[in-house]
Amino acid sequence: SQTIHQWPATLVQPVGSPLSLECTVEGTSNPNLYWYRQAAGRGLQLLFYSVGIGQISSEVPQNLSASRPQDRQFILSSKKLLLSDSGFYLCAHAAGDNSPLHFGNGTRLTVT
Amino acid sequence: DAKTTQPPSMDCAEGRAANLPCNHSTISGNEYVYWYRQIHSQGPQYIIHGLKNNETNEMASLIITEDRKSSTLILPHATLRDTAVYYCIALNTNAGKSTFGDGTTLTVKP
Repeated sequence: SQTIHQWPATLVQPVGSPLSLECTVEGTSNPNLYWYRQAAGRGLQLLFYSVGIGQISSEVPQNLSASRPQDRQFILSSKKLLLSDSGFYLCAHAAGDNSPLHFGNGTRLTVT
Repeated sequence: DAKTTQPPSMDCAEGRAANLPCNHSTISGNEYVYWYRQIHSQGPQYIIHGLKNNETNEMASLIITEDRKSSTLILPHATLRDTAVYYCIALNTNAGKSTFGDGTTLTVKP
């Protein structure tokens, strides 16, 4: 069965510090991978998606970047965090062929 | 992916059916309708999806209108644990991108 791992669960970082959130998927090959952010009480905002190694599409210009160094690994990064980067970050995968998205448990990031 | 519209909130009595509507009037022919729910501080949980036929699984039923412009998620016997935010999205996961609206907050009351 497919499993998605996302860590850490919570993170508190000062403004200006770097960020690296990692997501890995097990049990599937060549998945579509996604990073979402959710503000309190709001829906999910798509940040990045990837349909293959090294293929990254950005949906919202911002302070963040994403990379896919391996087939089942998706990394969200920032060189210098802003206060506005605080939020709930979710990684998701889909096998394609109109199979549903499956989400990780998320990382709650607080930038202070 | 098509834009979806859902009521911001709904109440349902425990044990009764919860019917959650969704409008997706701009859905294209290759987009499926997906439903997810999110309990506070957790990742969204997949519930059900369909293209044009009605679907049923162990969690819920999905009714899609013939013109595919709207759908209804049915929780046949709502429990207190069904209290959550429910998201309806129309998308083609083969195309990569997907966006979520603000969803419907369902509150199941005893």
